[in-house]
Amino acid sequence: GAVVSQHPSRVICKSGTSVKIECRSLDFQATTMFWYRQFPKQSLMLMATSNEGSKATYEQGVEKDKFLINHASLTLSTLTVTSAHPEDSSFYICSARDAKRGSNEQFFGPGTRLTVL
Amino acid sequence: AQSVTQLDSQVPVFEEAPVELRCNYSSSVSVYLFWYVQYPNQGLQLLLKYLSGSTLVKGINGFEAEFNKSQTSFHLRKPSVHISDTAEYFCAVSDFAGTASKLTFGTGTRLQVTL
Repeated sequence: GAVVSQHPSRVICKSGTSVKIECRSLDFQATTMFWYRQFPKQSLMLMATSNEGSKATYEQGVEKDKFLINHASLTLSTLTVTSAHPEDSSFYICSARDAKRGSNEQFFGPGTRLTVL
Repeated sequence: AQSVTQLDSQVPVFEEAPVELRCNYSSSVSVYLFWYVQYPNQGLQLLLKYLSGSTLVKGINGFEAEFNKSQTSFHLRKPSVHISDTAEYFCAVSDFAGTASKLTFGTGTRLQVTL
């Protein structure tokens, strides 16, 4: 149980285009989902916390107009990188918290590798 | 505010040798503690977690960790490593502040197991 999927696993796009990444909790309801960014050989940096049915909470320094997050259902959150540029190239990982578990444990997706040319 | 320190960025070890990956944390409140493993180009997999109770926590793949409140540490250990344990290991802390509480990660330790 507690499986999180991400789609796509890898995407290459041209500079200036927008890219949408989906994060799904497959066998549980996730009232809270998190989006992380990971640069090569570095730790995960939290970008935003997404709560179902409400606006996402962005971490300091993260542009909310550039990284649009939508959490429209209890099993799906999306991250849209708008007008992507080469510096947005990174590994994006989502996680989800199972509302029925009280441990604050997050279950992670497999990540999406974004390359902007 | 919370923080996590993983003192060793890389730990080389021979196969079948024991290993300890160090993790120290700071927090003004009680915490939950986690160790995650990340294989190349993959997401994070939970190895083990400390929520409460026994300070010695056993996880998957033969790993264990001990919570030491006085030293604010949560070191990860394995008595005999395998080549397949080569990966990046992250220590993380979360506070008790409800469902919106966040995970704070350490910078990671690269475990390199060789023959």
